[in-house]
Order: sequence, then structure tokens, then C-alpha cells
Amino acid sequence: NAGVTQTPKFQVLKTGQSMTLQCAQDMNHEYMSWYRQDPGMGLRLIHYSVGAGITDQGEVPNGYNVSRSTTEDFPLRLLSAAPSQTSVYFCASSYGRGQGEQFFGPGTRLTVL
Amino acid sequence: GENVEQHPSTLSVQEGDSAVIKCTYSDSASNYFPWYKQELGKGPQLIIDIRSNVGEKKDQRIAVTLNKTAKHFSLHITETQPEDSAVYFCAALLGFSGGYNKLIFGAGTRLAVHP
Repeated sequence: NAGVTQTPKFQVLKTGQSMTLQCAQDMNHEYMSWYRQDPGMGLRLIHYSVGAGITDQGEVPNGYNVSRSTTEDFPLRLLSAAPSQTSVYFCASSYGRGQGEQFFGPGTRLTVL
Repeated sequence: GENVEQHPSTLSVQEGDSAVIKCTYSDSASNYFPWYKQELGKGPQLIIDIRSNVGEKKDQRIAVTLNKTAKHFSLHITETQPEDSAVYFCAALLGFSGGYNKLIFGAGTRLAVHP
């Protein structure tokens, strides 16, 4: 099993550009989530999903969109990138509805100029 | 809103000493408290967790204690080794109607173990 994979590893955007961060898992987990990690602020939940077709907002959803068309994939879209979205983004998955261990991907480091 | 406070933000110990990291949470309905270790350039990885029906849990050199009344939980690492150097995050699970769950993380503790 590859676990949770994320692409790209690094990305530089200009303000106003859009892009999609990809996340996939091969563990047949129902629960998937996106976090951003900023210095001194830990991991903050952006959006999460409890299964295909079901998503909900986390702590910091503004400026991001998600969809879940399959169990395996959970892409995160930045609609119009802003410097405040410079961060490291982690995708995670878990069995059930997220009440147990979350498995994290390796992260995407995003810089918005 | 719900939050998890974690202290200290940095911790430096000598190899062989013990390290203790403390967290407090705000939502009394939280019932699951995991600890994650993040090594440089990697995603966080679960090292130990505890549920609200248990006061203490041990796994070799690491242990977690939970005080539900005070809404405190702590990570204890004994006989620290240089490979324990990493950033550690505590978290608390918030449950909502409909079965949706959100994991709220503390800000992290950077642990340095010096040989």
C-alpha cells in the first residue's frame, strides 16, 4: 500500500492564480481531511469528508474548495491564491468517521508571491 | 470556539532524561486524544492515543495521562534518545451530530534531545 499520497511536493503561485492540490489514499478509508500547517499554529483543519459526495468545513475553509467524487481522491482547490495561503498542506485519511488514527501524507509546500 | 492549548512550545533535554508535554482542551465532550510526532520534512505520525474511559496508557518509553475533570492530558517520554527529537502535537476529537468528527490540534512542541 502506498498509503496517502500528495502532489505536488512544492508549488509556487502568483497572487490570483488557481490550482488544485491532489490527495489520494489506497486504504479504502471513508474519512479524509485537509490541514494547513503554519509556524506556531499547529495543524488547522480546512475541509473534511466522511465519504464520497459528503464534505464539510473545518476551522479555516475560506478560499478553498473540495469535492469527493470517489473514496480514493480528495482534491483541494485554491480558487484565487493569496499570500496568506502560503503554508504547508497535509492531507490525511482515517477509517470510519475520523474517530481513530489519521494517516497523513508527506505534505505540499505552497508559496504564494 | 473549541481549542487545544499545548505547552511548552520548545523543550530541550539531555539524553536519558524525561520529557513532559502538557495540553488542555476546551470541549468537555471530547473523548479521543491522540499524540502525533512529526519529523523534519514529513507528515505527522500517530505515536499514542487515549480515550476518555481510560486515565493512563503506556507503550514502552511513552505514556499518556488524561484528567477529564481538569480537561488536561499529558505526554511523558522516559529515557529520551536523540531520535526522539521532533515536533510533537496533541489533539482532541470533537464529535458532532450526524457522526462527523473534527480533530483539533495544539500548536506543537519542538523537542530537542542532546547527546
